[in-house]
Amino acid sequence: DAGITQSPRHKVTETGTPVTLRCHQTENHRYMYWYRQDPGHGLRLIHYSYGVKDTDKGEVSDGYSVSRSKTEDFLLTLESATSSQTSVYFCAISEFGTVQETQYFGPGTRLLVL
Amino acid sequence: KQEVTQIPAALSVPEGENLVLNCSFTDSAIYNLQWFRQDPGKGLTSLLLIQSSQREQTSGRLNASLDKSSGRSTLYIAASQPGDSATYLCAPFDQGGKLIFGQGTELSVKP
Repeated sequence: DAGITQSPRHKVTETGTPVTLRCHQTENHRYMYWYRQDPGHGLRLIHYSYGVKDTDKGEVSDGYSVSRSKTEDFLLTLESATSSQTSVYFCAISEFGTVQETQYFGPGTRLLVL
Repeated sequence: KQEVTQIPAALSVPEGENLVLNCSFTDSAIYNLQWFRQDPGKGLTSLLLIQSSQREQTSGRLNASLDKSSGRSTLYIAASQPGDSATYLCAPFDQGGKLIFGQGTELSVKP
């Protein structure tokens, strides 16, 4: 399995609270991604990064920000959590553009916003 | 906007059957395509990556094919086993390396 960890694995928070989720990789992959998974919507891309300090928006980026100051870490911040952001969040990594383009996923973070 | 459809949404088969899972996508200008499985409450496990220049890829009892011009991919599972029970997800890559997921096919293999 690819070396991807996510923290925390479970979190309960209240509406209006800022929340930061962390994704850490040991594979030195250039690309990192944040997805959310919801019943009826499947997996949707929130933000992604194609290098240190290089990030871009995905399909459902409103209310989220990201930062990547080191190759191994990609942080997702919910600036002011809302109940609609209750979801399972997955981080993924890849070496897109090389022979190792397979995208590998982390174990996920379950977030409940009350 | 790319849309991905997986048919059937759910499938229940007896152990030992060969089966085919279907994936269709609306924009044929994809880069690659990846198949995953997801067990309940778990993350995604990569099964196969088909590059745009390939027509199929095999791993053990799994075979995935890709027809970009018709916007279709299929995942063939030979001699199904109860351990194959999971949700199978299809996801084409766009040119920027971003995956677009279908809703998945929930497979149940009965002993």
